[in-house]
Amino acid sequence: QQQVKQSPQSLIVQKGGISIINCAYENTAFDYFPWYQQFPGKGPALLIAIRPDVSEKKEGRFTISFNKSAKQFSLHIMDSQPGDSATYFCAATLYNFNKFYFGSGTKLNVKP
Amino acid sequence: DVKVTQSSRYLVKRTGEKVFLECVQDMDHENMFWYRQDPGLGLRLIYFSYDVKMKEKGDIPEGYSVSREKKERFSLILESASTNQTSMYLCASSIGSLETQYFGPGTRLLVL
Repeated sequence: QQQVKQSPQSLIVQKGGISIINCAYENTAFDYFPWYQQFPGKGPALLIAIRPDVSEKKEGRFTISFNKSAKQFSLHIMDSQPGDSATYFCAATLYNFNKFYFGSGTKLNVKP
Repeated sequence: DVKVTQSSRYLVKRTGEKVFLECVQDMDHENMFWYRQDPGLGLRLIYFSYDVKMKEKGDIPEGYSVSREKKERFSLILESASTNQTSMYLCASSIGSLETQYFGPGTRLLVL
């Protein structure tokens, strides 16, 4: 059973557009939600993360929106650039628990 | 900067061979993880370790074992490689729970 469901599987966006990737989870005990970015040939790297006590977190062009009642969170990439082309993974984990549950990944392609 | 290194970028092995994948981190992290990454399935946790000689099964431990004799080194062992273990294997480390996981570059394993 997949703990975190991610969509879409792939996404094509024009340069300057907004990229939106969505994730949904079932376990209401999850309390840490990171997003990882992976470039080809590299391991994933932390991009941005949120705890459920806030509804939004912004870092530069990247924003996480969090809807606790709907058990959903999403990544928004504003003014998307070709350099943002990568695979993005959402994840969720429990407080004081070492396991991360990753989504299936979204391959983003930003066209110049 | 945290550095997680994996012993090989690419490996080709025969069915039935014993395979060792090595991971080393240089930041004195308590936790280390082994994932496999497959298209459409995201990252799935095989095993993790929260201390030397301590290990816990992840979501897909069958066919794998691990060893952590020293804090900085975490090995993944395929006792008898099978073709369905062809995958990208990623090692990660973190300082504690709810902390960033730092990933190595991955080992792409092909079992013939």
